[in-house]
Amino acid sequence: GAGVSQSPRYKVTKRGQDVALRCDPISGHVSLYWYRQALGQGPEFLTYFNYEAQQDKSGLPNDRFSAERPEGSISTLTIQRTEQRDSAMYRCASSLTGGDFSGANVLTFGAGSRLTVL
Amino acid sequence: KQEVTQIPAALSVPEGENLVLNCSFTDSAIYNLQWFRQDPGKGLTSLLLIQSSQREQTSGRLNASLDKSSGRSTLYIAASQPGDSATYLCAVDRGSTLGRLYFGRGTQLTVWP
Repeated sequence: GAGVSQSPRYKVTKRGQDVALRCDPISGHVSLYWYRQALGQGPEFLTYFNYEAQQDKSGLPNDRFSAERPEGSISTLTIQRTEQRDSAMYRCASSLTGGDFSGANVLTFGAGSRLTVL
Repeated sequence: KQEVTQIPAALSVPEGENLVLNCSFTDSAIYNLQWFRQDPGKGLTSLLLIQSSQREQTSGRLNASLDKSSGRSTLYIAASQPGDSATYLCAVDRGSTLGRLYFGRGTQLTVWP
C-alpha cells in the first residue's frame, strides 16, 4: 500500500483478555518495527523483523508479548492476558532495508493502534 | 543504555517567532539522529536526518544541527506558523543495534496566531 496501515486504530479490552494488533507495511519493505508509546513518553522499541525473521526482540517487556511476520509482509503483535499497564499507543514502522535510515531508506510510521485495558 | 532528553517539554509562542528545540543524548556512538513530528491521530513524520559524519541539515524553515562530542542536537524553526503546532521528537540510532531508535519524550509546540 501507499503507507503503513495498522488495525485496529482503537482497541478497548478488559484485563486478562488477549489482543492482536496488525501491521501492514509498505509494499516491498523488508524491515518492520514495533514500538510502544505511553502517554507523555517517546516511542520505545519492542522488536523488529527483516523479512520473516525476528532480528531483535529485546524490547518486548515480558513473555506475554510476542510478534510474528510469517510471510515477510503483514505482522501481528499479540499481547496475552492484558494488564492495565499495557495501555499505550502501539506503533508499527517499515523501511526498505534495516539499519541505515538515510538516503532512500526512510523509516515510515503508521498511525498506530491505541490500546486501552480496563 | 542510550538516554535521550528533550527540553523544553512544552513551548507556546506567538506566530512569527524563531525558536529552538533541544535534544541531548548520553552515548555519542550514534549512527544517525532524526527529528520527527507527531500530530494527533497520525503517524510520526521524519523531518530531518543527520548522519553522524554531518553537522547539520536544512529543510525549508527547519535547520537541525548535531554535535556528537557534546551529545547535543538543536532543531531551529524559523518564522513559526500555527501549522507548526505539534510534538517534535528527537531520536538516535546506533550502528551496533540496527533498526533500533531511541526517542526522547518530545517537545509539545503550540504556535498561536
